[in-house]
This record gives sequence, C-alpha cells and structure tokens, in this order.
Amino acid sequence: DTGVSQNPRHKITKRGQNVTFRCDPISEHNRLYWYRQTLGQGPEFLTYFQNEAQLEKSRLLSDRFSAERPKGSFSTLEIQRTEQGDSAMYLCASTDNSNTEAFFGQGTRLTVV
Amino acid sequence: QQQVKQSPQSLIVQKGGISIINCAYENTAFDYFPWYQQFPGKGPALLIAIRPDVSEKKEGRFTISFNKSAKQFSLHIMDSQPGDSATYFCAALVDKLIFGTGTRLQVFP
Repeated sequence: DTGVSQNPRHKITKRGQNVTFRCDPISEHNRLYWYRQTLGQGPEFLTYFQNEAQLEKSRLLSDRFSAERPKGSFSTLEIQRTEQGDSAMYLCASTDNSNTEAFFGQGTRLTVV
Repeated sequence: QQQVKQSPQSLIVQKGGISIINCAYENTAFDYFPWYQQFPGKGPALLIAIRPDVSEKKEGRFTISFNKSAKQFSLHIMDSQPGDSATYFCAALVDKLIFGTGTRLQVFP
C-alpha cells in the first residue's frame, strides 16, 4: 500500500456535465475525508466517512455534490451539473482510529470550461 | 468559531535564517494542532503536530510553540533551506481538520 490514491489526477469538463472522482484510502484507515482547495487557499472541508457512514457534510456541499463510500473502502465524489465555480483541487485524506495524522492524496484538479 | 487564522500570507527568508509562521484559533474544543507542508501539484503532507497539553515540540529544524491561554501556535523553521520553499498550513482538529489560509515560504540562497 503506497498511500492515498486519487483518480483521475486531472479532469477538464464542460459546464453542465457530471464528473466523478475516486479515492482509495490507506487500507486499514477507517476515516475518509474530502476537501476542496482553490488557488492560494487552504483546504476546505467537504465531508467525511467513518467506515461506510457519512458522518458530516459541510454547508459548502451543495445538493449537486454527493459522496459515497459503499463498502467502507474506496470513496467517490460526484458533482452534477458542474459550474465554473467548481474548478478546484479536490483532495482526499484518510486516518486510522486515532484520527490524528491525516494522509492526503495528490488530489484531482478539476477545470470546468 | 471554526476558523483558524494564519499569518503571514507570504514569507521570504535567506538561507540559514529563521522562518516563523503564526496561527490563532477560537474553538477551545480543538485538541490537535498539526502543520502541513505542500509543494505545487502535491497534496499536503504532515510536518509536525502538537497537543494542547504541551507548550513546545521540536523535531529536527522544526519547532511548534503553543500558547493555550492565548489560543495561538506558531511554527519555527530554523536554519531555513531552499528545499523548505513550499506552502505551509496550520490546522486544528475536532472530528475534522480545519486549515488556515496558508503561508507561501520562499528561501533564497
């Protein structure tokens, strides 16, 4: 296991299209987080899972965004009807039961044109 | 109350100098305070972290100073090197990490 893996690394999509990103956490980690980062800003919390349960969603997460972690392993983040304002780096992180050191993936850079 | 305020926004230091980045928080429920380092095109990576029952933690050239009563903490990078040039984020944890806005550090030879 080489860490948190995110795919794709880059995605360019036309406004109005749907996109889906995948995150594979470190295998023994039961917490998985999604963050969004725009240029010059710190990562902003979107949502997190404890195993397969989605425990919290940020108010930033509009109803166009949905995240799943069906078997408590990998997770997907879907954005429907993309808007230019959705252009950002989407980061995934995972932690073990201690919930201290969060390991981040390299992110998926989304560009909506 | 969930915010973490970070300063400065950018910092230029000469090689061998000391880099100091400051953060402040409001929520006293935060119980873990990490610093992350991020290079362009990469995800953030944990650098060093501290819990509020400790006033200082040192790992190599990196030191966190923590002032619980003032609700402030800072990162000191001693003997700064060009390879330290990156963006640094402070963060605070309660259930999830809340990040500061970042400090872009440039270390010149």
